[in-house]
Amino acid sequence: ETGVTQSPTHLIKTRGQQVTLRCSSQSGHNTVSWYQQALGQGPQFIFQYYREEENGRGNFPPRFSGLQFPNYSSELNVNALELDDSALYLCASSSKRDQPGELFFGEGSRLTVL
Amino acid sequence: GQQVMQIPQYQHVQEGEDFTTYCNSSTTLSNIQWYKQRPGGHPVFLIQLVKSGEVKKQKRLTFQFGEAKKNSSLHITATQTTDVGTYFCAGPFSNFNKFYFGSGTKLNVKP
Repeated sequence: ETGVTQSPTHLIKTRGQQVTLRCSSQSGHNTVSWYQQALGQGPQFIFQYYREEENGRGNFPPRFSGLQFPNYSSELNVNALELDDSALYLCASSSKRDQPGELFFGEGSRLTVL
Repeated sequence: GQQVMQIPQYQHVQEGEDFTTYCNSSTTLSNIQWYKQRPGGHPVFLIQLVKSGEVKKQKRLTFQFGEAKKNSSLHITATQTTDVGTYFCAGPFSNFNKFYFGSGTKLNVKP
């Protein structure tokens, strides 16, 4: 167990709706990254949060947004859902923002957009 | 932009056979990580390589980082059914702890 928890584990939405996914990072970790993993693909970096600030973003449109709270937990929000947003959304926490370090992944939230 | 490519996409082996997956980057990497994802699971960290030409071993797993720090490999000796899963390499971009993941090599081991 990594100590990283995500909710919900599964959810179904329709096109145009909005979704919020939640992540609690491992104790002592102040950095949270979000990844999108489509079926049969590797995880794709969405963005990273460090001390409540966005600290880097991958190639995702602005309708993907996030938050980090003082306790280092985080949310991923996706507006105007599209069919291609169907994927496993993974949260990863780490303790070192600017040094190489292991990513601790949660079990993920599987989103299906109909 | 930076890309991390992995081959092969799939590998089916008989239990006891060896397995190798290769990872290539379009740019020099400061470090590379390897993860394993079991079916229905999440990626789990295996190892990190930092130095040029570095070789690390974990029991039956051998990891190598190329001299030019643009490629890496994972070799499993005498595969077991517990090795089943998808193996990903991941290289950092811009700052550390933000990673490009390869597309993965899915390993199936027949008993």
